Amino acid sequence: GNSVTQMEGPVTLSEEAFLTINCTYTATGYPSLFWYVQYPGEGLQLLLKATKADDKGSNKGFEATYRKETTSFHLEKGSVQVSDSAVYFCALGAGGSYIPTFGRGTSLIVHP
Amino acid sequence: SAVISQKPSRDICQRGTSLTIQCQVDSQVTMMFWYRQQPGQSLTLIATANQGSEATYESGFVIDKFPISRPNLTFSTLTVSNMSPEDSSIYLCSVETGGYGYTFGSGTRLTVV
Repeated sequence: GNSVTQMEGPVTLSEEAFLTINCTYTATGYPSLFWYVQYPGEGLQLLLKATKADDKGSNKGFEATYRKETTSFHLEKGSVQVSDSAVYFCALGAGGSYIPTFGRGTSLIVHP
Repeated sequence: SAVISQKPSRDICQRGTSLTIQCQVDSQVTMMFWYRQQPGQSLTLIATANQGSEATYESGFVIDKFPISRPNLTFSTLTVSNMSPEDSSIYLCSVETGGYGYTFGSGTRLTVV
């Protein structure tokens, strides 16, 4: 079946540091890939998405590129802020035959 | 993308009782999903609910424990039956919004005492 593997957290960074959260997936066919963010006490919000190979999703300074050859969708941000502290979920799915599949989530803690 | 209203937002329930969670979507959607998120954990899919057919349950979840209704294309309910403290969790509904991925309700935080 389909699966998503994320790096374990928590990831602890100082403000303005560079962020990478690794995500790899296993799926048949060509799913869409997503990053969701969950701020403390809130629901999940879509952060960015990519629907086909080599697509780059971006939002709020975050980026991720759909790499079919390495089955990866790593999340990056050049300079994190304290307000980015949250749990980030990598996911695949969307469209007919795909059951949405989420990674375990990676907690990000950004210190001033 | 769709907007989902989920309620209740939280509840504290006695063991052995049942709680029904409602999700109302502001547009018609084919597929709705119900998840459980235990503290510090990822989302676990409970079932997929399509209008006009019985829900499809994932391994480890059964209809007797988590009955789901889907009477129309904008509404669904999940009931957590005969609750025990192990059912304490956040329950989330979600819909697929075409190429936009999935939109989530704000969640129901359930505590069973």
